[in-house]
Amino acid sequence: QKEVEQDPGPLSVPEGAIVSLNCTYSNSAFQYFMWYRQYSRKGPELLMYTYSSGNKEDGRFTAQVDKSSKYISLFIRDSQPSDSATYLCAMSRGGYNKLIFGAGTRLAVHP
Amino acid sequence: SAVISQKPSRDICQRGTSLTIQCQVDSQVTMMFWYRQQPGQSLTLIATANQGSEATYESGFVIDKFPISRPNLTFSTLTVSNMSPEDSSIYLCSVEDPPGAGTQYFGPGTRLLVL
Repeated sequence: QKEVEQDPGPLSVPEGAIVSLNCTYSNSAFQYFMWYRQYSRKGPELLMYTYSSGNKEDGRFTAQVDKSSKYISLFIRDSQPSDSATYLCAMSRGGYNKLIFGAGTRLAVHP
Repeated sequence: SAVISQKPSRDICQRGTSLTIQCQVDSQVTMMFWYRQQPGQSLTLIATANQGSEATYESGFVIDKFPISRPNLTFSTLTVSNMSPEDSSIYLCSVEDPPGAGTQYFGPGTRLLVL
């Protein structure tokens, strides 16, 4: 079993839809949870960062962490074609510990 | 956040040769990380490079195949040695910023194709 599970998709939604992306994990020691966005032929870009449990909102993006269920989510409101990319969840124990990545979910937002 | 550049951005190489990838950061950082992203796959950590000490390699990666240098706090290199087509991947460097925060920022990557 992988430490971090993420459905690779692809996920196709119409413009304006609410997108929900999810990851589950098995290591209860993870404390830092991140979402990266990766456009084709580019490096991953840090989108959202959450420490421990709770919610964090930044514009159209909301990240949620439920440590009791070992489940994290990224919600994108009013999705735009420019949101079309691969979204990778990542997590670590922090303090120079390595990041463990999910497989990445390919998202396509069509006009 | 730290700004990271990599050279070359892409290359096509013949099997049996070696390629050295450079990673430059615009600020001093303690730890630098090297990842591989195979076609259609997620990121896999190759090694962690701490300035002034030997790099720490992950399981499945060895120093003879992926030697790393870390001469100062803003620069690192990764060499892919004796390449085969299976080494065709994107190679990415990253840094943790701020130190100890758990967040990593990535360079644009080096796309390598081995024929």
